[in-house]
Amino acid sequence: DQQVKQNSPSLSVQEGRISILNCDYTNSMFDYFLWYKKYPAEGPTFLISISSIKDKNEDGRFTVFLNKSAKHLSLHIVPSQPGDSAVYFCAASGNTGNQFYFGTGTSLTVIP
Amino acid sequence: DAGITQSPRHKVTETGTPVTLRCHQTENHRYMYWYRQDPGHGLRLIHYSYGVKDTDKGEVSDGYSVSRSKTEDFLLTLESATSSQTSVYFCAISFSRLSQETQYFGPGTRLLVL
Repeated sequence: DQQVKQNSPSLSVQEGRISILNCDYTNSMFDYFLWYKKYPAEGPTFLISISSIKDKNEDGRFTVFLNKSAKHLSLHIVPSQPGDSAVYFCAASGNTGNQFYFGTGTSLTVIP
Repeated sequence: DAGITQSPRHKVTETGTPVTLRCHQTENHRYMYWYRQDPGHGLRLIHYSYGVKDTDKGEVSDGYSVSRSKTEDFLLTLESATSSQTSVYFCAISFSRLSQETQYFGPGTRLLVL
């Protein structure tokens, strides 16, 4: 049973606009959430994280929002650039240790 | 970028043959992980290691074994490969096993079992 879900397999956005990628989780024990970005034929690269004690974390063009009551997090990319085109995975971990549970990924295409 | 390499990067093998994938790190991190990535499933943990000779199972460990004789190397073995093990395999490392410790990934090995 998938504990972390990304219900949108793909997303297309115009360059310069905002990209919003969504992720839902079911396990209330998760307390750390990450976003990874993956280009074809490469490994996932860490993008941004958020602890459950926060509801927002920013790093440049990337902001992650966490809504614990809804068990939902989102990644905002503003402004979107063609180089942001990749597959984005959200992941979550909890007090069971450093085992991450990954979503199925959302393929983002930024159109020039 | 974390110093993680995987070998081979691509492998084609036949059902029933043994296969070993290697992960090598230069970061001296204690924790190492093997994941597989499949369409519709994201990344799933196969096995992980928390030190030399110390390993444990992940959520999809059946059909796989691992070994870690040195800090820098973590081997994943498919004793008798099956077509269901066709996948992309990623190694990851982390400094600690705290729940809020980021994992860093290698470039992946694409395995095709015919």
